[in-house]
Amino acid sequence: QGQLVQSGAEVRKPGASVKVSCKASGYTFIKYHIGWVRQAPGQGLEWMGWISAYSGDTDYAQRLKGRVTMTTDTSTNTVYMELRNLRGDDTALYYCARGTGGYNYYSLWGQGTMVTVSS
Amino acid sequence: DIQMTQFPTTLSASVGDRVTVTCRASQSVSDWLAWYQQKPGKAPKLLISKASTLEGGVPSRFSGSGSGTEFTLSITNLQPDDSATYYCQEYGSLGTFGQGTKLEI
Repeated sequence: QGQLVQSGAEVRKPGASVKVSCKASGYTFIKYHIGWVRQAPGQGLEWMGWISAYSGDTDYAQRLKGRVTMTTDTSTNTVYMELRNLRGDDTALYYCARGTGGYNYYSLWGQGTMVTVSS
Repeated sequence: DIQMTQFPTTLSASVGDRVTVTCRASQSVSDWLAWYQQKPGKAPKLLISKASTLEGGVPSRFSGSGSGTEFTLSITNLQPDDSATYYCQEYGSLGTFGQGTKLEI
């Protein structure tokens, strides 16, 4: 079935960067891609992008291009999401999720990582 | 990016009722449309993919329909446990979500 376990909560100042990890287990890592979705407090879901765990190919939401980078480490079955030049409106719960059948819909989710941006 | 417009924003209903949530895409996404249920403090749960395919373990009271730019999620015989926020997501392009519909029972 599988499991995605994310790294712990982070606090950053505006202008800083954050890197969140998502470790997969219980399934063949390279067979699926991973998407990242964030949710600001009390707000809806925002799709951020996806990465192929196998090839490292990525695609990002237009509004985040230039600030976000997703990478994969097949030796540890871990995907990373780095967000740079943080702003207050980047404060959110960040989820990784496993794509299904090569598509960007998600049946397996991580527990979420809270990132707080505050001076 | 494709824009997804979901309505209503909030919905109040009673146990046993039938409700419908609508999701509209700014351009055709064929039937590449998923529906999720999210409860407070929890990750979203996938209910439906490919516009109308129910995920395993999801009660048959949930159903999805539509194609192109207009989609609906219907829930019949509402139960108290259905209180949640429901999101549509297109995955024909990237993965844009609708704004969500909060269902109160």
